Amino acid sequence: EVQLVESGGGLVQPGGSLRLSCAASGFTFNNYAMSWVRQAPGKGLEWVSSISGRGGSTYYADSVKGRFTISRDNSKNTLYLQMSSLRAEDTAIYYCAKGGARDMATTTTFDYWGQGTLVTVSS
Amino acid sequence: QSVLTQPPSVSGAPGQRVTISCTGSSFNIGAGYDAQWYQQLPGTAPKLLIYGNNNRPSGVPDRFSGSKSGTSASLAITGLQAEDEADYYCQSYDSSLSGWVFGGGTKLTVL
Repeated sequence: EVQLVESGGGLVQPGGSLRLSCAASGFTFNNYAMSWVRQAPGKGLEWVSSISGRGGSTYYADSVKGRFTISRDNSKNTLYLQMSSLRAEDTAIYYCAKGGARDMATTTTFDYWGQGTLVTVSS
Repeated sequence: QSVLTQPPSVSGAPGQRVTISCTGSSFNIGAGYDAQWYQQLPGTAPKLLIYGNNNRPSGVPDRFSGSKSGTSASLAITGLQAEDEADYYCQSYDSSLSGWVFGGGTKLTVL
């Protein structure tokens, strides 16, 4: 059974930093691309960032480019999102999602999701 | 403002059929990129419902179906049940943004 468990969320001041983690199990982690998708309170879903199975390719939404860094440790079956220069508009539930193949592609689906971790940016 | 446009809400009585539209552009659905659909039950994470325009993952009832035409995609739900009450999101790839995009979401109410 695929399981994705996010952690690391919390309250942070504007301009601060936070690192999210996603522990994966139930599948061969390095065979699949992984992504972060966020959902602001009462709002819709927004794709944030993705990384290929071997970690060699990364992708970012314009809204986070230059401030967020996605990475993975395949020896620990863990996905990360390092967030810096945080803004109020980054407040959201951050979901970890598994891709359907090793590499991100235009056909990529998000086939399994974790339960999310809440990030609140406020003074 | 989402790149993919969905109606904010739809409703139907138990047993009825409802459809949810997802209108894109020549940079996403109209460019031939696949549409996916996700179901988000209240207080839970999204779940993949339809992929590749009209394919259901294992375990998704055949009451759910997807279609695509031109710059739009649609999700149809037949034999509506109370448990179908949820938010539904379409998703595709957008070449102008070089990224994966979601619709704004549609809240389905079962009357």
